[in-house]
Amino acid sequence: NAGVTQTPKFQVLKTGQSMTLQCAQDMNHEYMSWYRQDPGMGLRLIHYSVGAGITDQGEVPNGYNVSRSTTEDFPLRLLSAAPSQTSVYFCASSYDPFQETQYFGPGTRLLVL
Amino acid sequence: DQQVKQNSPSLSVQEGRISILNCDYTNSMFDYFLWYKKYPAEGPTFLISISSIKDKNEDGRFTVFLNKSAKHLSLHIVPSQPGDSAVYFCAASERGDSWGKFQFGAGTQVVVTP
Repeated sequence: NAGVTQTPKFQVLKTGQSMTLQCAQDMNHEYMSWYRQDPGMGLRLIHYSVGAGITDQGEVPNGYNVSRSTTEDFPLRLLSAAPSQTSVYFCASSYDPFQETQYFGPGTRLLVL
Repeated sequence: DQQVKQNSPSLSVQEGRISILNCDYTNSMFDYFLWYKKYPAEGPTFLISISSIKDKNEDGRFTVFLNKSAKHLSLHIVPSQPGDSAVYFCAASERGDSWGKFQFGAGTQVVVTP
């Protein structure tokens, strides 16, 4: 099992550009989520999904879109990048709703100039 | 407003000694707490949890203590080992929440020195 994979590892964007952060898991987990981690702050939930076709907003959803067309993939889209979106992004998946069973990907470091 | 706070951004401890990491929370509805460990360039991994019906949970070298009246939890690592050098996050949630929406602290960087 590859677990949770994220691509790219690092990305530099200019303000206003769009991009998609990819997340995939091969554990057949129903629950997937996206977090951002900023200096001096803990992980903050952006969006999550409880199964294919079902997504919902987390704590900081503005500026981000998600979709879940398959169980395996949960891409995060930035439609018009802003410097405030400079962060490290983590994708996670789990087979039940309890946080302790979440498996995190290695993260994507995003810099928006 | 952060509901979970780890006021010590860093901690240095000698190998073999005890590491004590602290975490405070403000929401009295939180009833489930976790600690995560994170190495550089990796995602966080689950370490230990505790629910509000307990005041202590132990797993090998790791023990978490919960003081509900003080809204405080702590993680003890005994004895500390060089491989314990990492960032530790505490997280809290209302277990009845719609889906494990945990609030995370900012993390404490632990460095274990020989």
